Amino acid sequence: DGGITQSPKYLFRKEGQNVTLSCEQNLNHDAMYWYRQDPGQGLRLIYYSQIVNDFQKGDIAEGYSVSREKKESFPLTVTSAQKNPTAFYLCASITVISGYTEAFFGQGTRLTVV
Amino acid sequence: GDSVTQMEGPVTLSEEAFLTINCTYTATGYPSLFWYVQYPGEGLQLLLKATKADDKGSNKGFEATYRKETTSFHLEKGSVQVSDSAVYFCALRGMNTGFQKLVFGTGTRLLVSP
Repeated sequence: DGGITQSPKYLFRKEGQNVTLSCEQNLNHDAMYWYRQDPGQGLRLIYYSQIVNDFQKGDIAEGYSVSREKKESFPLTVTSAQKNPTAFYLCASITVISGYTEAFFGQGTRLTVV
Repeated sequence: GDSVTQMEGPVTLSEEAFLTINCTYTATGYPSLFWYVQYPGEGLQLLLKATKADDKGSNKGFEATYRKETTSFHLEKGSVQVSDSAVYFCALRGMNTGFQKLVFGTGTRLLVSP
């Protein structure tokens, strides 16, 4: 089945560590996105990539980094510069179907700083 | 910029009750509008969509009508079930962004009791 796979589902990070969240898709979509979800704040865009080897900052990119070396993969690194990393992270791919935009989401990764 | 405002939750209902979750938006032109649903611990799934004024999106008994005059896209269901308990997000795809960006509301949690 086609879809978005995020791993791990739960991740614990110590203060000062970098951690990388995986996102893989087999939908052959060009565009991929990372969102952060906090209680009461909805989804906020961290980074997005429209094509391989290109990505752009979203609304809250500080303390995060990404790469897009393959169409299928868009990993997110949460660096030690991110002051409040505990959150639920969602990866999505977005395509245009019959003229409208549709987003496909992974199951999410819950990151906790310990 | 584009924005989406949803009613705050949680919305607590008994099984078979009528559901309305309000959503209003601010955007120029004619954005596409969406409702996504998030079950506990999972990513978001597209519930329904509407791409032009007066369109009615529907799926699984849920409906929403794109009202340009009131800039609204309220979600309704005639008879809710316990299995409908989830967080519901209203979203829009604006016309002014140069990429396929979705703007989300803060989400409304629905709790249905037997």
